[in-house]
Amino acid sequence: QLQLQESGPGLVKPSETLSLTCTVSGGSISRNEYYWGWIRQSPGKGLEWIGNIYYRGTTFYNPSLKSRVTISVDTSRNQFSLRLTSVTAADMAVYYCARAHLTISGVVDAFDIWGQGTMVTVSS
Amino acid sequence: DIQMTQSPSTLSASVGDRVTITCRASQTISSWLAWYQQKPGKAPKLLIYKASILQSGVPSRFSGSGSGTEFTLTISSLQPDDFATYYCQQFNSFTFGPGTKVDIK
Repeated sequence: QLQLQESGPGLVKPSETLSLTCTVSGGSISRNEYYWGWIRQSPGKGLEWIGNIYYRGTTFYNPSLKSRVTISVDTSRNQFSLRLTSVTAADMAVYYCARAHLTISGVVDAFDIWGQGTMVTVSS
Repeated sequence: DIQMTQSPSTLSASVGDRVTITCRASQTISSWLAWYQQKPGKAPKLLIYKASILQSGVPSRFSGSGSGTEFTLTISSLQPDDFATYYCQQFNSFTFGPGTKVDIK
């Protein structure tokens, strides 16, 4: 069955760049029916959508993060990645990658499979 | 930007209770709404999508309804495994609701 696994540094210094990778196993990332997304959750707080990517490279970002976010995909490795620049304490969170189901009409209607999440701390 | 609210923020209930959580959108989102369950230290789990479609493998005691701006998640008979936090999410701009924690009365 499909599984997603986040990886990357658990500690990032303020003003530096956060980089995470999500590895998809048990299925191909190159499926027409899915986008792939990043979501984060600050400690004790709610969920915040960061952005989505299609295997052909189309991306959608949260407007509040758009200037600092890049999501990319590597279909040969079955991975997609997140880069968030100029991090501050406000970016400290558990970061999840997830599969986003794409309907026939072209609308994403659910994040149906999630990774376990990885905690990123921002500290010097 | 579409804002999502949920009520109540916390709900105390007993096993066997019927539980209803409400999610409201600041503008119409048709039926593009999902519900998730999250337990401490775990990733969210999809329960319902397109407002009322039960995700495969989710118990039938969970149901969703609504369209436009007002939606509900109902648990017909609360089970011990259901004590968790529940989030709604809209898919016009992917905003999540603030969550509803269901705890033991």
